Amino acid sequence: DSGVTQTPKHLITATGQRVTLRCSPRSGDLSVYWYQQSLDQGLQFLIQYYNGEERAKGNILERFSAQQFPDLHSELNLSSLELGDSALYFCASSVQGGQGQPQHFGDGTRLSIL
Amino acid sequence: AQSVAQPEDQVNVAEGNPLTVKCTYSVSGNPYLFWYVQYPNRGLQFLLKYITGDNLVKGSYGFEAEFNKSQTSFHLKKPSALVSDSALYFCAVSAPGGSQGNLIFGKGTKLSVKP
Repeated sequence: DSGVTQTPKHLITATGQRVTLRCSPRSGDLSVYWYQQSLDQGLQFLIQYYNGEERAKGNILERFSAQQFPDLHSELNLSSLELGDSALYFCASSVQGGQGQPQHFGDGTRLSIL
Repeated sequence: AQSVAQPEDQVNVAEGNPLTVKCTYSVSGNPYLFWYVQYPNRGLQFLLKYITGDNLVKGSYGFEAEFNKSQTSFHLKKPSALVSDSALYFCAVSAPGGSQGNLIFGKGTKLSVKP
């Protein structure tokens, strides 16, 4: 058990809808990362937060947004969903936010767009 | 741009034999390199990392990795494979910039260990 909790485990919705994915980091970890895993794109970094502040941005679409709350949990909001957004979304956390930090991954949220 | 390549989509090994999963990287500056393993329907698990120092890095579950700067490689190895090692293995590099820790992953290599 990595200590990172992601909810829900599965999400099925339709095109055009909006969903929110939630992540609770490992106790003591200040940094949260979001990744998207799909068959065609592989594992892609979306966004990183450190202690409530955005620290790095990757291949995140404008339709997607995230935030990290004072209790350090994070939410990833996906809107105007398209079929191509179907993927496994992972949250990871690390103690600090810099290079060289091992990241601990949750078991992911599987998003299916019908 | 930083990148990681895993040239083999799949590696097949007999139980008890040594295994190697290959990884090459392209980074500017000193590389921070990682190996992760993913079991079906699970998140990635950290195996080991190279930051600096000894080129042979030991990690979890008997795995080790050899850093080779001249060949820009970071191959994952294990002396004796177990059936339970069958999983998807990812090599990753930490993006440049000291305050940013996001990882750039290779496409993954599926390891299959047969009894």
